[in-house]
Amino acid sequence: DTAVSQTPKYLVTQMGNDKSIKCEQNLGHDTMYWYKQDSKKFLKIMFSYNNKELIINETVPNRFSPKSPDKAHLNLHINSLELGDSAVYFCASSQGLGNQPQHFGDGTRLSIL
Amino acid sequence: AQSVSQHNHHVILSEAASLELGCNYSYGGTVNLFWYVQYPGQHLQLLLKYFSGDPLVKGIKGFEAEFIKSKFSFNLRKPSVQWSDTAEYFCAVTGGQNFVFGPGTRLSVLP
Repeated sequence: DTAVSQTPKYLVTQMGNDKSIKCEQNLGHDTMYWYKQDSKKFLKIMFSYNNKELIINETVPNRFSPKSPDKAHLNLHINSLELGDSAVYFCASSQGLGNQPQHFGDGTRLSIL
Repeated sequence: AQSVSQHNHHVILSEAASLELGCNYSYGGTVNLFWYVQYPGQHLQLLLKYFSGDPLVKGIKGFEAEFIKSKFSFNLRKPSVQWSDTAEYFCAVTGGQNFVFGPGTRLSVLP
C-alpha cells in the first residue's frame, strides 16, 4: 500500500486555469506538507499542517490555497495558473513537527502551457 | 533561522570510486539531521538520520554519515559507488518546528 499518495501524477493545463492536487497518507501521521521542486531540483517548502492547522506558510502567492479536511488529507488548490507554476509538487507527512523524518509522495508534475 | 548548504552542485564519479558529499548547517540549538535520495523521476527517500548518540550513522545501501558538531557538518559517505547510486542527494536539518532542505547535490556515476 502506498503510504503517501498524490493525484494526479501528471497535470497539463493552460495558463489562467484553476486546478487541484490531492494528497492522502495512511501512515497515521499528524503533520503534512507541500513542497515545490523546480527544474533545478531545488526543494522549497510551501505549507505545513499539523492536526489540520496551518503551521508553516512560506512566501507563496495567495493563488495557492491548501485545505486539510482531516489529518490524513492535505489538498492543494491553485487559482489562475501561471507559467512559473510549472514544477513538481511533492506532498509529505511526518509524525510531529520538525524532528521526524518525512515520507514523500511520488510527486505531481504540473506543466503550464 | 536554519539554513543548509551543500558544497557540491554536481559530482561525477566512476563506479567503485569513494564518495563524500558535504553538508553544513547553521542553527544554534539542538538539531536532527537527515540525508534523502531522489532517484531519477522518483520521490525523495530517507537514506539515514541522526538524532543523538553515535555521531557516525549508518543508513541503507551502504551509505553512512558523520555528524561533527564543532563543524556544523553532516557529510555523507560511501566507500564504493555503483551506477545505481546516480541520483540527487539532499541534506536536511530540523530544529524546532522547521524542516529545511539543502539545495541538493546531483551524483552521476559512470559505468
